[in-house]
Amino acid sequence: GAGVSQTPSNKVTEKGKYVELRCDPISGHTALYWYRQSLGQGPEFLIYFQGTGAADDSGLPNDRFFAVRPEGSVSTLKIQRTERGDSAVYLCASSFDPNYGYTFGSGTRLTVV
Amino acid sequence: GQQVMQIPQYQHVQEGEDFTTYCNSSTTLSNIQWYKQRPGGHPVFLIQLVKSGEVKKQKRLTFQFGEAKKNSSLHITATQTTDVGTYFCAGSFNQAGTALIFGKGTTLSVSS
Repeated sequence: GAGVSQTPSNKVTEKGKYVELRCDPISGHTALYWYRQSLGQGPEFLIYFQGTGAADDSGLPNDRFFAVRPEGSVSTLKIQRTERGDSAVYLCASSFDPNYGYTFGSGTRLTVV
Repeated sequence: GQQVMQIPQYQHVQEGEDFTTYCNSSTTLSNIQWYKQRPGGHPVFLIQLVKSGEVKKQKRLTFQFGEAKKNSSLHITATQTTDVGTYFCAGSFNQAGTALIFGKGTTLSVSS
């Protein structure tokens, strides 16, 4: 596609529920990143994929968070047993080369009530 | 952990005034990138600096990378209302250039 597509754009879920957030990167971009951004803060790194494998998952806050990219294109961020503190905008970005700029999607605003 | 500090957090200027935001790290960076996020939008890539002492210009924007590769700045000359937004620096701490660490950003407001 022309840009990085993220769905849904908004997600409201109850505390304790499971959610999946989807990212469709720019075609041909092998690098894919997940960040989350809270109000008034900079994007916080979660996980980085190079192809199908997670090259760096050091930013995942705990084992409730998991991400996959099975075919090296679309990625899904999965959050189990959501907590109110998980509320944030989850941003996905892709790049054809990690040494160049990232193209971000519009994000998924997750609200846990 | 590795952090990128950015100041000021907020800056208000009159249209036509200059604006500068500063970014620094306690650890040497392999490169630094700058992004702009408009209110309600997502970060948009502006530029990457790689070399020690590098200076790059984009119209009214001037980007600098320090000699020690631990600090950077973005300077906007003669601000316009279209410059409104939050400017983030993002540093990479390893040679592969993975996993950018973002600063908290400087939010610029401009009154006409």
